[in-house]
This record gives sequence, structure tokens and C-alpha cells, in this order.
Amino acid sequence: GDSVTQMEGPVTLSEEAFLTINCTYTATGYPSLFWYVQYPGEGLQLLLKATKADDKGSNKGFEATYRKETTSFHLEKGSVQVSDSAVYFCALSVGGTSYGKLTFGQGTILTVHP
Amino acid sequence: GAGVSQSPRYKVAKRGQDVALRCDPISGHVSLFWYQQALGQGPEFLTYFQNEAQLDKSGLPSDRFFAERPEGSVSTLKIQRTQQEDSAVYLCASSLGSWNTIYFGEGSWLTVV
Repeated sequence: GDSVTQMEGPVTLSEEAFLTINCTYTATGYPSLFWYVQYPGEGLQLLLKATKADDKGSNKGFEATYRKETTSFHLEKGSVQVSDSAVYFCALSVGGTSYGKLTFGQGTILTVHP
Repeated sequence: GAGVSQSPRYKVAKRGQDVALRCDPISGHVSLFWYQQALGQGPEFLTYFQNEAQLDKSGLPSDRFFAERPEGSVSTLKIQRTQQEDSAVYLCASSLGSWNTIYFGEGSWLTVV
């Protein structure tokens, strides 16, 4: 079946540090890939997405590139802020009759200190 | 409202009690999803509606779980005879249609004691 594996957390960084959160996937079809973020006390929000190989999704300084050859979609940000502290989820959806339903990784907790 | 609204936000149920969780999707959204999120885990798919039709219920963990969306807008997830393993956050999400961006509510936190 389809699955998503994220790097183990939690991740603790100082402000302005470089961030990478690894994500790899297994899919039976050709998936679209997503990063969702959950800020404290809020619901899941779409951060960025990519729908085909070599696409780069970007938003709020975050980037991720769809790498079909390595089945990866690693999240990066050049300079994190305290306000980026949240839980980050990598997810995929596949074609066919799945209606775009999402399969999530287990989440990575990010804490950024001033 | 502007977003997906869920109620109650928090529910404590005694084991064996029935619970009902409500979801108000974004107005005009055809697709509606329910997910279950255990502590420290990612959300897992439960069921999917397109308007009032429940097209996929493959993720419902047992026949104690039942979902409905009778008029194609508000949806209710019902859990009968709750067990401790049902303790989780139940997330509702909606979208304009298949393959459109999915928007999530804040979730209903269920604790079974």
C-alpha cells in the first residue's frame, strides 16, 4: 500500500538556522506530494505541493522538490523563525478512484528558539 | 463561517457510551473527508463523501463507526459503544471537488475513559 516516512523528531533549531525535514514515500501510482503544517491550537494547513516529478513547491520561504528517482520530497527552509515552530506532515495522494484522499507521514515536531 | 467547523472540540466519553461528532464544511464544498489522528501520529483516512453519497468507507476501523451526510453539507461521525482505543482527534476536511485543495477543521478531541 501507499505510505509516507518522515524523519524522526523532534527537531530543535535556533532562529535563522537552515531546516531540512526528510520525507520519502511508497506509492502504487503516480502521486501528488504535499507538506501540511499544524501550528499550536490550529488545524492542518496546506503549506506547499507538487504534482509531478521535478516540480518544486514553495510557500513562506519553504521549498520541496518532487524527486521521483529517490521517491523523496524533503522540506527545506534557509532561515527559520520562531513562528515556524509547528508540526509538519508530509503526505501523498494517488490517482485513480482515490478522490485525492491523503496518506500522511507521522509528523515532525519543529521547535525554533530565539 | 470561512473554514471547516467541528463540534464538540473536546469530548470525554465513558467506555461503552455512544458519541456523535459534527462537521460543517466550507460552503459549496462537494467533497468531505473524515480522518482519525492518534496521539503522535499522522492523520489516517476514515471515509469520503461526494455530496450526500458515501463513496469510500474503507478506513472505518469497525462497524461501530458510522458516518452520514444526508443533505450533502453537514456531516456526522458516530461511534457506538466507544472503546479506549477510539481515543484520538477526529479531523474533518472538505474541498471543492476531487483533487482540489483539502481544507481541515481543528478537530474533535475524543477521550474515552
